[in-house]
Amino acid sequence: GENVEQHPSTLSVQEGDSAVIKCTYSDSASNYFPWYKQELGKRPQLIIDIRSNVGEKKDQRIAVTLNKTAKHFSLHITETQPEDSAVYFCAASSGGGKLIFGQGTELSVKP
Amino acid sequence: NAGVTQTPKFRILKIGQSMTLQCTQDMNHNYMYWYRQDPGMGLKLIYYSVGAGITDKGEVPNGYNVSRSTTEDFPLRLELAAPSQTSVYFCASSYGEGTGGKGELFFGEGSRLTVL
Repeated sequence: GENVEQHPSTLSVQEGDSAVIKCTYSDSASNYFPWYKQELGKRPQLIIDIRSNVGEKKDQRIAVTLNKTAKHFSLHITETQPEDSAVYFCAASSGGGKLIFGQGTELSVKP
Repeated sequence: NAGVTQTPKFRILKIGQSMTLQCTQDMNHNYMYWYRQDPGMGLKLIYYSVGAGITDKGEVPNGYNVSRSTTEDFPLRLELAAPSQTSVYFCASSYGEGTGGKGELFFGEGSRLTVL
């Protein structure tokens, strides 16, 4: 079955710097890759997603890139702000409803 | 819209007891999920359903059972609770698959379960 590996597990940046979180997946049939943000004590919420027919997608300060050949995808956050501090999860699905998450990255943005 | 509602929010069980976590959604979503989240860990898929009457095992189904008799409800049953089942359980639902929000999972607030 699908396996999603996420790195790093923790990431600390200064406010205004960029943050990059990377994920790899095992199932070459995976075609949907969302990213979720979970603030402390709250439920996860979708921040951006991408399908396998697209190499990059941007939404304001966040972007996701996908390399199907290498089976990895990344989340890029530019001009980080303290409110970006949270746990970020990548996920992958090959269809049929089964969505598998990575282990999560705890991002800390220091003012 | 209430979204995804889970009950109870907190529960303490003794080893060997059984219980059901309730989950209901009012968004007419076809897909529903149960995940567990251990401290400092990611979300592990327990069971999922793509429609009423259809359920499938996820990554960690052992010790759990589900049913999906209606579109709205997706209860998770724990039989013979064990300390390893201590976790936060999240129910989620979505329209289906696709970008632009179509594949977005809407999560409930979570249910914190402790097995002693």
